[in-house]
Amino acid sequence: QSVLTQPPSASGTPGQRVTISCSGRSSNIGSNYVYWYQQLPGTAPKLLIYRNNQRPSGVPDRFSGSKSGTSASLAISGLRSEDEADYYCAAWDDTLSGFVFGTGTKVTVL
Amino acid sequence: QVQLVQSGAEVKKPGASVKVSCKASGYTFNSYYIHWVRQAPGEGLEWMGRINPRGPRAHYAQKFQDRVTMTRDTSTSTVYMELSSLRSEDTAVYYCARGDGDFNPPDYWGQGTLVTVSS
Repeated sequence: QSVLTQPPSASGTPGQRVTISCSGRSSNIGSNYVYWYQQLPGTAPKLLIYRNNQRPSGVPDRFSGSKSGTSASLAISGLRSEDEADYYCAAWDDTLSGFVFGTGTKVTVL
Repeated sequence: QVQLVQSGAEVKKPGASVKVSCKASGYTFNSYYIHWVRQAPGEGLEWMGRINPRGPRAHYAQKFQDRVTMTRDTSTSTVYMELSSLRSEDTAVYYCARGDGDFNPPDYWGQGTLVTVSS
């Protein structure tokens, strides 16, 4: 039961920029940090962005995050074949008193 | 380096219980929450709850409130998640993941444990 809405798919050619949206409510994105994860096929999720726009060490600066109001976005610039994966946003929800994840977006490199 | 190593795959019959372990290393165990997140085949991520290793209290998602129990053993830096009254819809990969702070989603994740519920 995902509370955060993402587009099911996104695609681009190598070198292009792809943006993924994550839409929520005032109780989650509107009042808490957004995190983004990358999940390669058959593997565990990996943290890409924390606290809306911060990159953990080792994550390329091709990945960037932003937040405005009750929505957030993940941008991948200079798209590469190894970026083909599922991407999820996440945030704490004050009403549910728990964490909620996005519906997930599959990125395809054409 | 931070590592979360989970127990192996399980096959259970409907109505049974399953207990999955998650052994932490590479950081101060008592300083971070451990979350449990599951992913059904071909589906998205679903948060089940978290436990604070500093104390016995756990916080569960409402959906799992009646069926899940999270415990920890500080002597071995291991956290356990037990899910009871299993049904076929509980077939999923179960992940443990480390969390920093009350309202921050997890950062490091375990490798996942496949639980299959089948008669």
